[in-house]
Amino acid sequence: AQKITQTQPGMFVQEKEAVTLDCTYDTSDPSYGLFWYKQPSSGEMIFLIYQGSYDQQNATEGRYSLNFQKARKSANLVISASQLGDSAMYFCAMREGQGATNKLIFGTGTLLAVQP
Amino acid sequence: DTGVSQNPRHKITKRGQNVTFRCDPISEHNRLYWYRQTLGQGPEFLTYFQNEAQLEKSRLLSDRFSAERPKGSFSTLEIQRTEQGDSAMYLCASGVGPGATEAFFGQGTRLTVV
Repeated sequence: AQKITQTQPGMFVQEKEAVTLDCTYDTSDPSYGLFWYKQPSSGEMIFLIYQGSYDQQNATEGRYSLNFQKARKSANLVISASQLGDSAMYFCAMREGQGATNKLIFGTGTLLAVQP
Repeated sequence: DTGVSQNPRHKITKRGQNVTFRCDPISEHNRLYWYRQTLGQGPEFLTYFQNEAQLEKSRLLSDRFSAERPKGSFSTLEIQRTEQGDSAMYLCASGVGPGATEAFFGQGTRLTVV
């Protein structure tokens, strides 16, 4: 069964430093998608970055990059040059297949606190 | 604003009452999802629509829950005879996909059952 594991309940980082949020996944399907979302205290889930299982290169979106290590089944989020506004919950999620199953499975999240 | 819109943002109801939430997806998004998020957890899938067809339902969606997307545009989620365990954030997402555009979330409806 598909599963997402986020082992860091909380993280601190100094402003302007880089931080890595860990995510490992488990699936037997060769085709899948991996997502990261940010959830501020307001509750909205903000899409950050996507990685397809067949994508050859690691995804990047501005200050966000996804360190995709397929053999290790890990999809860590790297935030460069942290800002105070990055303080939020971060969720890793996975979708198996290419459309037969469309649901996302989420991890339990990592609470990031950026310190000035 | 062209994002996913959910109403109401907050709902407090007495146990046993019925409640209905509305989700307006991003225009032209054929996929629409409902998720439930309880405190300290990630969102859990409830149901999925492709256009007006409800293609997938979680076993979390008990008989008291029903969701519709009558014309393939907005969707409603109704909970009948609410229980205290229904207290949660209800999130709607829409998208086209699969890929980076397959799930954009709204701000959610926070339900409190007293």
